[in-house]
This record gives sequence, C-alpha cells and structure tokens, in this order.
Amino acid sequence: SAVISQKPSRDICQRGTSLTIQCQVDSQVTMMFWYRQQPGQSLTLIATANQGSEATYESGFVIDKFPISRPNLTFSTLTVSNMSPEDSSIYLCSVAGAYGYTFGSGTRLTVV
Amino acid sequence: TQLLEQSPQFLSIQEGENLTVYCNSSSVFSSLQWYRQEPGEGPVLLVTVVTGGEVKKLKRLTFQFGDARKDSSLHITAAQTGDTGLYLCGETSGSRLTFGEGTQLTVNP
Repeated sequence: SAVISQKPSRDICQRGTSLTIQCQVDSQVTMMFWYRQQPGQSLTLIATANQGSEATYESGFVIDKFPISRPNLTFSTLTVSNMSPEDSSIYLCSVAGAYGYTFGSGTRLTVV
Repeated sequence: TQLLEQSPQFLSIQEGENLTVYCNSSSVFSSLQWYRQEPGEGPVLLVTVVTGGEVKKLKRLTFQFGDARKDSSLHITAAQTGDTGLYLCGETSGSRLTFGEGTQLTVNP
C-alpha cells in the first residue's frame, strides 16, 4: 500500500491566521482525500482532490475556508483559512488503494 | 451517503474479556470496511467485507457481514491491552469513504 507523509505533524496557531498542510504520497494516485477529526470523534470527509481539476467539497465545507491544491499525482495541500478555535482538530489526508484506504498520520492543529 | 451507526460509542473492559462492536445502516452496503486508529496515527484497514453472510477472521478478531448487507459486527476474543483504540466502520460510495461514529475501546490490564 501507499506510504503517505503529512506535515506538519502538529501546530499551534493564532486565530485569524491560516495554516497549509502538506501531503506527499510515494506513488501516483488519481484521487486524494482530506478528513477532519474533531477531538474524541470519528473522521469527517472534507473534500476529494483530483489532479488537474477543482476539489469536490462535502456538505458543510467550502473552498474559501478550506482551499485545496493538487499540482501533481503525488502531492496535495489543504489550507485552513482564517482560523478560529473551532478549527482545532486533527486533519488527515488519505488515498485509495487496491485493498483499502491509506491515511497519513495527521496534523494536530490547535487554534488559540 | 447513508448514515452509519456504530455501537457502543465507548467500551472499557478488562484484559481477557470478549467484546462485540456493531455497525448498522438503514440501507444496503455495497461493501464495508473496518479500521482501527491508535492515538497519533491515521486509521489502518483491518478487513473488507463484501458478501452477505460473510465471516472473516484476523487472529482474535472475527468480522461478520449481515445476510441483508445492512449490518456488520466485529468480535474480539480475549482482548489485550494492545487492542485499545478507535474502531471505525466505513462504507465506500463511488470513491469516497465515509465513517461511522466510531467505538473507543479501552482494554485495562
């Protein structure tokens, strides 16, 4: 299965600022997925990122708040914009493989 | 996207005990996956079930898929402290994977 490197692993940010999270995969993949995991909860899909096209966002998530880039088949970024304490969560990227989905280790974001 | 309901939400047991976690939906699953997530890590795939009535075993873990493909269960025999984690059922729709609410399992020594 694919190996995913995600960074930063954690960050503490001031409200009103933005943070960009990077996700690097060791093989070419068509789609990459971004999830949010709020404290003590399950994972919620934010968006699906295809190379060469705009990301597809799930209900409740908008591009202005969570812009995504997908410049090539092995890399994607998620930006959390104009952060508030409610954005404090773990953000994870994922790719689909032949036997299931592989996830990065996540970025633990704390907004103060 | 159908709603996946998992139960129980929290489970705390002693080492050596058995437990079962459930995943249910009002609609038919095309396939269902079970994942385990440990602190500081992403979820890791345990098993995929596809066929109604299917039973799969992974060491002390037994996974069942309901005959009508609307429910699934995960049974752990003689739980160990290393089984502690968040257990998630997930369903794929198209290429998207969506999860149930999860079961946080704590196995105490």
